[in-house]
Amino acid sequence: EAGVAQSPRYKIIEKRQSVAFWCNPISGHATLYWYQQILGQGPKLLIQFQNNGVVDDSQLPKDRFSAERLKGVDSTLKIQPAKLEDSAVYLCASSPWDSQRETQYFGPGTRLLVL
Amino acid sequence: EDKVVQSPLSLVVHEGDTVTLNCSYEVTNFRSLLWYKQEKKAPTFLFMLTSSGIEKKSGRLSSILDKKELFSILNITATQTGDSAVYLCAANSGGSNYKLTFGKGTLLTVNP
Repeated sequence: EAGVAQSPRYKIIEKRQSVAFWCNPISGHATLYWYQQILGQGPKLLIQFQNNGVVDDSQLPKDRFSAERLKGVDSTLKIQPAKLEDSAVYLCASSPWDSQRETQYFGPGTRLLVL
Repeated sequence: EDKVVQSPLSLVVHEGDTVTLNCSYEVTNFRSLLWYKQEKKAPTFLFMLTSSGIEKKSGRLSSILDKKELFSILNITATQTGDSAVYLCAANSGGSNYKLTFGKGTLLTVNP
């Protein structure tokens, strides 16, 4: 079974530029999550999708961050404009909608550096 | 606000030692406690604990949950250099939306 795929793996941009990350969850997983992990911290949930609907975006900085999952499969997370404090690893995770739905499986992450 | 606290934040041991990592939590509508191992990539799932007092084991790793005292421990016996990683604890909470709140992690370094 293929795991969660993310791209790009690394990105370096200057502040005020925009950037987009892509995630393809494990096949059949209904729930998709985006996390931000700052160096030395645990992952922090940004947004959670159930199929193509948002169920929790309470910690998403909506003035600059946006995310979509149009067809209920893959998802994109965008930052526009980026700030220095957005430098972090952005992790995507997915979970099935069955008895195992409490377990989240993570992708390799995208490491973002904002200069 | 939901909170998960891990200790110690870092630990250096020699191969063959046994280590115990701690995780305490305060979350609304607690459902389960998960442990992940994170090397220089994605966190990989280790255990999910839902019931108090029942130990989960996988090889040299084991974990147990105490729902009364709101904590969990992860034990690693006979450590190997390949166990070097950040170990993340996360508490699962919420109603129909399963939300993970992570601790900062414990950085374990196993020296030969």
